[in-house]
Amino acid sequence: QKEVEQDPGPLSVPEGAIVSLNCTYSNSAFQYFMWYRQYSRKGPELLMYTYSSGNKEDGRFTAQVDKSSKYISLFIRDSQPSDSATYLCAMRPNAGGTSYGKLTFGQGTILTVHP
Amino acid sequence: DADVTQTPRNRITKTGKRIMLECSQTKGHDRMYWYRQDPGLGLRLIYYSFDVKDINKGEISDGYSVSRQAQAKFSLSLESAIPNQTALYFCATSDFAGMETQYFGPGTRLLVL
Repeated sequence: QKEVEQDPGPLSVPEGAIVSLNCTYSNSAFQYFMWYRQYSRKGPELLMYTYSSGNKEDGRFTAQVDKSSKYISLFIRDSQPSDSATYLCAMRPNAGGTSYGKLTFGQGTILTVHP
Repeated sequence: DADVTQTPRNRITKTGKRIMLECSQTKGHDRMYWYRQDPGLGLRLIYYSFDVKDINKGEISDGYSVSRQAQAKFSLSLESAIPNQTALYFCATSDFAGMETQYFGPGTRLLVL
C-alpha cells in the first residue's frame, strides 16, 4: 500500500464549478501538507502548504487537513479553464528521522475545466 | 532565464546505453533532488543531495547513479538503460528553511527502446 493515495481522475468540470481534490495517507508522522500544480509539459509548482491540521485559504483555493482521519483536501471555487492541470498532493514529517527533508507525493489528479 | 534547467529536454536511447541527464540551478539552494514521473504513479524520488558532500538514495535508486559536481549542478546517470526507465524525469531544488517549496525544472522526457 502506498503511503499517499490520490484518485488520479481524470476529473472534468464546467467553468464555475467547485472542485474537490483529495488525498489519504497512512504515515501518522506527516506534519507538512502541500499541493502542487503541474501544467502540461511543465514541472510542478507549489500552490499551497499547511502545517498540521486546519484550513488555509488563498483566493479561490482552500486547503484542509484532517489529521485524525489522515485526509487532506484542496477546494477550488469558481473554477476557471486556466485551472486545468494535474494537482499533486505531497507531505513530509517534522524534523528528524530518515524521511526528513523528503516529500512523498500522491499520484496526481488530472483536472479539466471546460468553458 | 529559468532558475532550474535540465538538459536534454528529450532523449531517445537504446537498451544498454549509458546516458546522463543534467540539472543546473541558479537559486543558490543547497538541496537538490531527482524524481521520475510515470502515469498513475506520481512523482517518485530517485536520489537527493542536501549538500555537495551528501548523496542519499530515494525510493527507486536501483539502476541509477548521481553526481553532485557543485552546489549548482546535480547529474543523474543511467548506466545501462532499460525500457522500463522510460519516463519523465524532473530535477528539483529547495533551501533548508523552505523544504515544502521545491522548485522543479521543466523535465526530461526519456524513451528507452
